[in-house]
Amino acid sequence: DAKTTQPNSMESNEEEPVHLPCNHSTISGTDYIHWYRQLPSQGPEYVIHGLTSNVNNRMASLAIAEDRKSSTLILHRATLRDAAVYYCILRANAGGTSYGKLTFGQGTILTVHP
Amino acid sequence: SAVISQKPSRDICQRGTSLTIQCQVDSQVTMMFWYRQQPGQSLTLIATANQGSEATYESGFVIDKFPISRPNLTFSTLTVSNMSPEDSSIYLCSVVLPGRGRQYFGPGTRLTVL
Repeated sequence: DAKTTQPNSMESNEEEPVHLPCNHSTISGTDYIHWYRQLPSQGPEYVIHGLTSNVNNRMASLAIAEDRKSSTLILHRATLRDAAVYYCILRANAGGTSYGKLTFGQGTILTVHP
Repeated sequence: SAVISQKPSRDICQRGTSLTIQCQVDSQVTMMFWYRQQPGQSLTLIATANQGSEATYESGFVIDKFPISRPNLTFSTLTVSNMSPEDSSIYLCSVVLPGRGRQYFGPGTRLTVL
């Protein structure tokens, strides 16, 4: 499986933007870039995903490098409830034998200060 | 979206016993997964449980230790057999909805083995 590299931890202040980087230099052409987060004592929850173009949803934005070897999850205004472990994961396209499987790295622990 | 429930939410068990964890989904899904999250660690995929076929186990996990049932499209069980303290973990089930790229996770079952 293609791997991702993320910083172990990041800190932010409340109401400020947060940029969470992820490197995935061995990404294949059909891998989707997924982001999940895990709040304390909860199961992971989906944040956003994309293939080549930048994506926006109500939770966050995903900026994907032109060569697809890196991406950045952007939380536009961090709140205390955004404190979580954020996982950047490459997921195989539908039809492949690995479809649906998520390989979790260690993720980035995001601390948000009031 | 998918709503997933797990039973029990937590349990404390004695060494050498077995525990069966239930996962119920509020919609029919083909693909269901079981993950383990050891204390302070990230998630590791145990197996893929597809209805109508044998579960597919990841490297390091075997059917004798983690038997899985998938009797229909909304339900699955994972049994942790002959438990030892090293099995103390959070066990999570997850599903992929047809036609959707994201994965949904249950709240997890926190298992402590004494």
